[in-house]
Amino acid sequence: SAVISQKPSRDICQRGTSLTIQCQVDSQVTMMFWYRQQPGQSLTLIATANQGSEATYESGFVIDKFPISRPNLTFSTLTVSNMSPEDSSIYLCSVPNPSGASYNEQFFGPGTRLTVL
Amino acid sequence: GQQVMQIPQYQHVQEGEDFTTYCNSSTTLSNIQWYKQRPGGHPVFLIQLVKSGEVKKQKRLTFQFGEAKKNSSLHITATQTTDVGTYFCASQGGSEKLVFGKGTKLTVNP
Repeated sequence: SAVISQKPSRDICQRGTSLTIQCQVDSQVTMMFWYRQQPGQSLTLIATANQGSEATYESGFVIDKFPISRPNLTFSTLTVSNMSPEDSSIYLCSVPNPSGASYNEQFFGPGTRLTVL
Repeated sequence: GQQVMQIPQYQHVQEGEDFTTYCNSSTTLSNIQWYKQRPGGHPVFLIQLVKSGEVKKQKRLTFQFGEAKKNSSLHITATQTTDVGTYFCASQGGSEKLVFGKGTKLTVNP
C-alpha cells in the first residue's frame, strides 16, 4: 500500500489568488494523479504528473490554470491559479499501487478542501 | 473517451435491506474497479474485476463483471449503517489513469 499526505487539508481563499497543494507519498512512484471533486460530484482527472517530464493534462484543464511540479518520485504540487468560486472543490492526489502487485488500484490522499470566496 | 454510466445516483434504504449499484459502458472495459468514499473521506479501493463474467465476494458485498465486460454491479446484502457512503465504479484507460462513474450515494436508515 501507499500512505499519502496532502497539505493543506483545507483552505479558504480570495478570488484572484493562487493556492499550491502539496502531495507526499511514502514510497517512490512513477505516476501521480491529480483529481478534482466538486461538491457532491464524482472525481475528474486533472492531470498525470510524471517525474522528469511535463504533466499530461486532461481535456478542459490547462497548465496555466493548474501548473504541476514533480521534482522527485515521492512528491508533487498542484497550483490552482487565479482562483474563482467555481474552483471550490476537493483536490485529491493519488498513486497506483507501488508494490507492483497484480491489483493496480489507486491510493488516494486525504484531499484538500478549497473554498474560494 | 471512455465513459462509465452509473445508476442510481442516490439510494436510501432501511438497515437490513439490500442495495445494488450498476455501472455500464458502451465499450468493452479492460477492467472495472470499485471504490467507496465515506462522508468527508477519500475514495478507498474495494476490488478490481478483470475477467468476463467474474464474480467476487467480500463478506456482504458481491461484485460482478458482465460477460461482455461492458457492465458491472455491486450488491450489498443486509445493509448496515457502516455501509453509508458513495460507491464509485471506475474503468482504467491508458497509463493507469481512472475514469470514474458518477457514483451512487447510499444512505441507511437505522
